[in-house]
Amino acid sequence: GIQVEQSPPDLILQEGANSTLRCNFSDSVNNLQWFHQNPWGQLINLFYIPSGTKQNGRLSATTVATERYSLLYISSSQTTDSGVYFCAVEQGNFNKFYFGSGTKLNVKP
Amino acid sequence: EPEVTQTPSHQVTQMGQEVILRCVPISNHLYFYWYRQILGQKVEFLVSFYNNEISEKSEIFDDQFSVERPDGSNFTLKIRSTKLEDSAMYFCASTDFSALHFGNGTRLTVT
Repeated sequence: GIQVEQSPPDLILQEGANSTLRCNFSDSVNNLQWFHQNPWGQLINLFYIPSGTKQNGRLSATTVATERYSLLYISSSQTTDSGVYFCAVEQGNFNKFYFGSGTKLNVKP
Repeated sequence: EPEVTQTPSHQVTQMGQEVILRCVPISNHLYFYWYRQILGQKVEFLVSFYNNEISEKSEIFDDQFSVERPDGSNFTLKIRSTKLEDSAMYFCASTDFSALHFGNGTRLTVT
């Protein structure tokens, strides 16, 4: 199956700092999503972004499908941004979405 | 906004007991999934379900696991004889052939 690699695995930021999270995938994909897992374990859908760029408040994401990567940008980070960020991809038959191992973000006040 | 709902939110069971985890996918979605996440680890695929049958299953999804869509709204995961290593958060998800939508999960603890 397709390999999904996320970097960095861990990230510690001071409140107000900016960060970039990366998701690389080993084969062409039809769908790509970014999720935030909050401290209660809920998987919150951030972006559905198979290609192009989207922005939602302080968060934005870019997927370059031809080069097999996606980036999630967090600007002016807040303590509520803490948690684990997952990238998930799908190859077109919807049988399975493949998850990366996540980036664990800790934003300190 | 419509959402995927899962019940119960927490389930504690003894080893060897059967458990049924319940999910109500978003009503116009046609593809359903179960994923699980052992504490602190990655989200693992268990099974996908489409057109009233299993589309794909992982090696985790052995004979102890089964899924069912008993009516037009519910989607269930049954574990026949639970083991200690089945303790995890179980997530149900659905899609309308675009974005994947997750429920809030059922935390299963096997003692």
